Amino acid sequence: NAGVTQTPKFQVLKTGQSMTLQCAQDMNHEYMSWYRQDPGMGLRLIHYSVGAGITDQGEVPNGYNVSRSTTEDFPLRLLSAAPSQTSVYFCASSYSDRGGYTFGSGTRLTVV
Amino acid sequence: RKEVEQDPGPFNVPEGATVAFNCTYSNSASQSFFWYRQDCRKEPKLLMSVYSSGNEDGRFTAQLNRASQYISLLIRDSKLSDSATYLCVVNPGTGFQKLVFGTGTRLLVSP
Repeated sequence: NAGVTQTPKFQVLKTGQSMTLQCAQDMNHEYMSWYRQDPGMGLRLIHYSVGAGITDQGEVPNGYNVSRSTTEDFPLRLLSAAPSQTSVYFCASSYSDRGGYTFGSGTRLTVV
Repeated sequence: RKEVEQDPGPFNVPEGATVAFNCTYSNSASQSFFWYRQDCRKEPKLLMSVYSSGNEDGRFTAQLNRASQYISLLIRDSKLSDSATYLCVVNPGTGFQKLVFGTGTRLLVSP
């Protein structure tokens, strides 16, 4: 049972480049979310999904897109990378709205 | 005022000590509460959920005080392995997916 798998673990992008952060879970969880974590700030919600085909914006959605075509996968796409998107990105999933999240190990992204 | 506030610490305690952290939240309609643990450069991991009057899990006890709008985490008989950052997480009542994370309290347990 792998849990939540994120790839890549590290990435350096140039300003203006695009990329997709991958997230997959094998626990058949309906709820999935993307967070970013910056020094001195709590985790902030970027986008979330309550099931396949259903996504919505979180607190800081600008510059990011998501899709949820299957229960297992929830990729996060950076449209045109900016230095302000340098951060650690976590994907998380949960089986219900009262259960706690299981987080992936994170992607450390640097935009230069 | 931040939605969720925590003392950043660090709290430096010797092994075997009892330590407590508080976390205050601003939205009185908040419905559920969690404590997560995060080790350096690792992902957060769920430590405890805090419902109604609180709960206990081994050396860890979480309490909720709705009147004063805070939750607490008590760790008894601290171990070196308890050294980590403890994140307070609140569901403000606008849907589970809108969880609000505190910035964390750092705990350092020394021999």
